[in-house]
Amino acid sequence: DAGVIQSPRHEVTEMGQEVTLRCKPISGHNSLFWYRQTMMRGLELLIYFNNNVPIDDSGMPEDRFSAKMPNASFSTLKIQPSEPRDSAVYFCASSSSLYQETQYFGPGTRLLVL
Amino acid sequence: LAKTTQPISMDSYEGQEVNITCSHNNIATNDYITWYQQFPSQGPRFIIQGYKTKVTNEVASLFIPADRKSSTLSLPRVSLSDTAVYYCLVGDGGYSGNTPLVFGKGTRLSVIA
Repeated sequence: DAGVIQSPRHEVTEMGQEVTLRCKPISGHNSLFWYRQTMMRGLELLIYFNNNVPIDDSGMPEDRFSAKMPNASFSTLKIQPSEPRDSAVYFCASSSSLYQETQYFGPGTRLLVL
Repeated sequence: LAKTTQPISMDSYEGQEVNITCSHNNIATNDYITWYQQFPSQGPRFIIQGYKTKVTNEVASLFIPADRKSSTLSLPRVSLSDTAVYYCLVGDGGYSGNTPLVFGKGTRLSVIA
């Protein structure tokens, strides 16, 4: 298996622009997680899905952030408009189910908003 | 939601055994204890998971006392490549409706030659 795939690996954009991050979970996994990591705040859970349904988005920092999972093999995290404080590494992870299951992380997308 | 406390950083020489202890006084009956490892510029990677007593795999051992209020990750004979951040997580993965495993700040292990 190729593991969790994220694209792009690096993104540099200007403040105010829309940013879309993409994730392909491991085939057969039913749960998908989006995280953000910064030096100051560490690894934060933004939102997670189970069977393509958003379960908890309380970690999404504000309305500028949105996430979708239109099918079992694809998810997006969108930031519109982007701000410099959104600069971080965004990780996607998947697991076979929610209960005590190992989360497999992708390589992350390093986002820099100028 | 069980909160964990672990040292911010640790140093060790190559070849030594490293023990990282995590406190989780409010662990619930359904909660498991899971440890992840993160190298620079990579996502976290599962190391080991346990519920009670001792669990061992090819990478590490996990010791959990009877009261389950703490756990210790043991890395035998560390090498320079074990330099990473180690996270202790406690939870049931979201099964009960609680937030899935929450990552804290972790313990930054530096292995010195």
